[in-house]
Amino acid sequence: DAKTTQPPSMDCAEGRAANLPCNHSTISGNEYVYWYRQIHSQGPQYIIHGLKNNETNEMASLIITEDRKSSTLILPHATLRDTAVYYCIVPGEAGTALIFGKGTTLSVSS
Amino acid sequence: EAGVTQFPSHSVIEKGQTVTLRCDPISGHDNLYWYRRVMGKEIKFLLHFVKESKQDESGMPNNRFLAERTGGTYSTLKVQPAELEDSGVYFCASSKLTGVTNTEAFFGQGTRLTVV
Repeated sequence: DAKTTQPPSMDCAEGRAANLPCNHSTISGNEYVYWYRQIHSQGPQYIIHGLKNNETNEMASLIITEDRKSSTLILPHATLRDTAVYYCIVPGEAGTALIFGKGTTLSVSS
Repeated sequence: EAGVTQFPSHSVIEKGQTVTLRCDPISGHDNLYWYRRVMGKEIKFLLHFVKESKQDESGMPNNRFLAERTGGTYSTLKVQPAELEDSGVYFCASSKLTGVTNTEAFFGQGTRLTVV
């Protein structure tokens, strides 16, 4: 699996955009970048994934740099309920298990 | 469509006893994964089933842990005998088998195991 590096924590004001960075400089050409989050002690929740193009869904946007060595998860209008640990993961081969690192603890405050 | 379901949601057992956790994946998902989160630590991968076969069990801590997935549907994770350090939240996840790219994995709400 490609190693990922994330800041341990970030703060964001409610209603503002939260931009969570991730470095994955050893990513190979056919490896996807996945983002998950864990709210409190719930099961991890899938957010979004991408290969090389920017992606957007109802939860977030994913911006991947042209060299694919880093990406940014964007929560456009963060709410208090977005307070969670966010994980950037590059799983490797199809079907292989997700390996969770320490992630980024995002704290959204009013 | 039902999500990944885990039973029980909580279990408190004494050291030396046996506990069996169950996971029902999303119907049609051939990949099934077990994870564990010990308090204060990262979520740790335990093992991966593809249908009824163990694809990767490199994360299983020791031979007190036995996972099965007979028939390729639900899975069980048995801890026998349980030790204090086995306490934590056990998560199960499932995903479709594509063979080409990864697909998103869906997680259950976990089983909180407390060994006293």
